[in-house]
Amino acid sequence: DAGVIQSPRHEVTEMGQEVTLRCKPISGHNSLFWYRQTMMRGLELLIYFNNNVPIDDSGMPEDRFSAKMPNASFSTLKIQPSEPRDSAVYFCASNPGLGTQYFGPGTRLLVL
Amino acid sequence: AQTVTQSQPEMSVQEAETVTLSCTYDTSESDYYLFWYKQPPSRQMILVIRQEAYKQQNATENRFSVNFQKAAKSFSLKISDSQLGDAAMYFCAYSGGGSQGNLIFGKGTKLSVKP
Repeated sequence: DAGVIQSPRHEVTEMGQEVTLRCKPISGHNSLFWYRQTMMRGLELLIYFNNNVPIDDSGMPEDRFSAKMPNASFSTLKIQPSEPRDSAVYFCASNPGLGTQYFGPGTRLLVL
Repeated sequence: AQTVTQSQPEMSVQEAETVTLSCTYDTSESDYYLFWYKQPPSRQMILVIRQEAYKQQNATENRFSVNFQKAAKSFSLKISDSQLGDAAMYFCAYSGGGSQGNLIFGKGTKLSVKP
């Protein structure tokens, strides 16, 4: 298996622009998680899905952030409009139902 | 709410020596998982080792082992025969007993390995 796949790996955009991050979980994993990593706040959960259904989105910072999982093999995290404080590394992880989460390589986002 | 604390922001070890990274956690649950993840400069999060709370035996993966003290809520990572490639950030993480539970991370410990 190729592991969790995220795209793009790097994204540089200007404040106010829409940003879409993509994730393909490991096949057969029924849970998907989006995390954000910053120097100030460390690693924090944004949202997670179980069987394509959002279970906990309490970590989503504000209405500018939205996430979808239209099917078992694809999820998006969208920021609209983006702000400089959204600059971070965004990780997607998937879980085969045994507690262990496997992470993608992350997307490094820079909002100018 | 569950919390994870790593009290050592930075640690250093000589190549081939042994180092122990500390982690404590707080929870009221009896069933849970604990993990150590490694994050090298590439930023990739790599699973090092995991421990199920119901297992009394400490987990071991090659040069990596844990000391799991459930009553004390302590979960330390021991790296034996340290190698230059072990240099990285190490994160301790907690997950509740539900298989779909999210991970709660500590702040991390930056490990340097001296040749």
